[in-house]
Amino acid sequence: RKEVEQDPGPFNVPEGATVAFNCTYSNSASQSFFWYRQDCRKEPKLLMSVYSSGNEDGRFTAQLNRASQYISLLIRDSKLSDSATYLCVVTLNDYKLSFGAGTTVTVRA
Amino acid sequence: DAGVIQSPRHEVTEMGQEVTLRCKPISGHNSLFWYRQTMMRGLELLIYFNNNVPIDDSGMPEDRFSAKMPNASFSTLKIQPSEPRDSAVYFCASSTPYEQYFGPGTRLTVT
Repeated sequence: RKEVEQDPGPFNVPEGATVAFNCTYSNSASQSFFWYRQDCRKEPKLLMSVYSSGNEDGRFTAQLNRASQYISLLIRDSKLSDSATYLCVVTLNDYKLSFGAGTTVTVRA
Repeated sequence: DAGVIQSPRHEVTEMGQEVTLRCKPISGHNSLFWYRQTMMRGLELLIYFNNNVPIDDSGMPEDRFSAKMPNASFSTLKIQPSEPRDSAVYFCASSTPYEQYFGPGTRLTVT
């Protein structure tokens, strides 16, 4: 079983729509959780950390459910510039990031 | 800050040739990582250095791969001999305690 599993999508949504997707992780001892964003043929970049209480960063909301071992990301009022692959990332220790395969989001005009 | 610098950005080589990828981390970052990304396997950690010392090389696929970090500002990943299945994007990343910063990657094609 993969350490981090994501629905690959793609999620095709119109501008202004809300889109949400999850990832699940297999190791209950996982310590930290993140969402990274990767544009086509570019490097991954940190989008936001995910905290147990849930957190928002502008139009982005992340949630963590430790009991069910899943993480979610919700994008409100989606923009064309939100089109990207979103990578779910989980850590077991101080340095080792385990990446999901990514969820592709395409926002259309 | 220039960010993490990698060279070359693209490399095309023939099977059996030696390939050397280079990375300059962000100044002041003590940790450096080499990753490989393919469609089939996603992003995989190959090796992790802390203060120039290799800490975890469990992701290095086989003896054909080697990595060095002779000083805090430079690291190399070498593949010798290269094989077509090594074709991938290789990312170098350096980190603070809170975030990893990725370089632009080297797109390697082995024919």
